Amino acid sequence: DAMVIQNPRYQVTQFGKPVTLSCSQTLNHNVMYWYQQKSSQAPKLLFHYYDKDFNNEADTPDNFQSRRPNTSFCFLDIRSPGLGDAAMYLCATSSSPRYEQYFGPGTRLTVT
Amino acid sequence: GEDVEQSLFLSVREGDSSVINCTYTDSSSTYLYWYKQEPGAGLQLLTYIFSNMDMKQDQRLTVLLNKKDKHLSLRIADTQTGDSAIYFCAEDTNAGKSTFGDGTTLTVKP
Repeated sequence: DAMVIQNPRYQVTQFGKPVTLSCSQTLNHNVMYWYQQKSSQAPKLLFHYYDKDFNNEADTPDNFQSRRPNTSFCFLDIRSPGLGDAAMYLCATSSSPRYEQYFGPGTRLTVT
Repeated sequence: GEDVEQSLFLSVREGDSSVINCTYTDSSSTYLYWYKQEPGAGLQLLTYIFSNMDMKQDQRLTVLLNKKDKHLSLRIADTQTGDSAIYFCAEDTNAGKSTFGDGTTLTVKP
């Protein structure tokens, strides 16, 4: 089945220790998104790639970076996680920017 | 999301209909979406409606769109306990991304 996969599902990191979350997709979609979601609030868009074109949201902290080495994979790097970065991180894909999005199961990040 | 508003909670009895409401602001939205999120999981696309439609029905789901009032609703017929989840409406934007509401938590009581 075509899908969006996120690894790991649960990640524990220490305050200030860099962490990388990964997302892969078999849908061959052009667009990949990273969202942060806290306490069942609305997902907050951090950034998205349209093919290789990176689009950062204005209020995304510099602490958050992303890489998309190929169509299938996208990574979220948190350079120095703070306690406030503990959240669910959701990856999503779309065939085109305005079309429906397909979400992965999320990675729950805990910062100790 | 500040541009998409939903009521936060809805509680219904099993077998009743549920109606979840949403208002949006971007009149240029082409698509409006409903997503479902179960605890600890990602969002799952339930259905969507194209902006030139008034209604869309998909099995137990009925989406109504009032473009003049920028009001969207999702009706779930014969609601089951498995429908308990958070429901997000979302609008697409000219910026090429979706704006999500804060979600409506639906609780279905047996």
